[in-house]
Amino acid sequence: EAQLVESGGDLVRPGESLRLSCTASGFIFGAFPMSWFRHTPARRLEWVATITGSSSSTYYAESVRGRFTVSRDNAADTLYLQMNGLRAEDTALYYCARGRTVPPDFDYWGPGTLVTVSS
Amino acid sequence: IVLTQSPVTLSLSPGERATLSCRASQSIGHYLAWYQQRPGQGPRLLIYDASNRATGVPSRFSASGSGTEFTLTISNLEPEDFAVYYCQQRDTWTQRFGQGTNVE
Repeated sequence: EAQLVESGGDLVRPGESLRLSCTASGFIFGAFPMSWFRHTPARRLEWVATITGSSSSTYYAESVRGRFTVSRDNAADTLYLQMNGLRAEDTALYYCARGRTVPPDFDYWGPGTLVTVSS
Repeated sequence: IVLTQSPVTLSLSPGERATLSCRASQSIGHYLAWYQQRPGQGPRLLIYDASNRATGVPSRFSASGSGTEFTLTISNLEPEDFAVYYCQQRDTWTQRFGQGTNVE
């Protein structure tokens, strides 16, 4: 069965950077679009970014465009989220998820990794 | 596209029926999914393309709708069904979720 595990979450100061990873197993990673989501303290589930299977296209929420970059290494079955210029409002539990189809809905999710941005 | 879920909170007892609504600000055809999220867990896909149960989802979960109006029904609530439910549109590559309905 497909499995996803996020890592890299940490406590950082405003303005700092952080890179999240999502390691996949149990499926042909490069065949699926992948996305990042976050669950904020306000208890909202928010989409962050999506990357197609071949990395040919990326999509970002307005709130992170220009600061976050989604990428993937299909040889290593790993998805990344590079987060620069972090703000307090980026504090959230970050999830990666596998896209079931295109445009995607999401059939497998990781357990999440916590990012806290605070001075 | 804005998705509006109602009600925000649904207070029910085990064995009762839950009816959750999701309204889209413009037509999204049948491109709507429903997810369940329990505390401490990632979301779980329940329904895709408005009315199709995902693998392993019990038959007490059913859904319908198209265009702008969608409904998720949980018949005969089990204790593990008390959770937050989100709808999500996949009409475009920029994803949108509803604000969630807490079934308590």
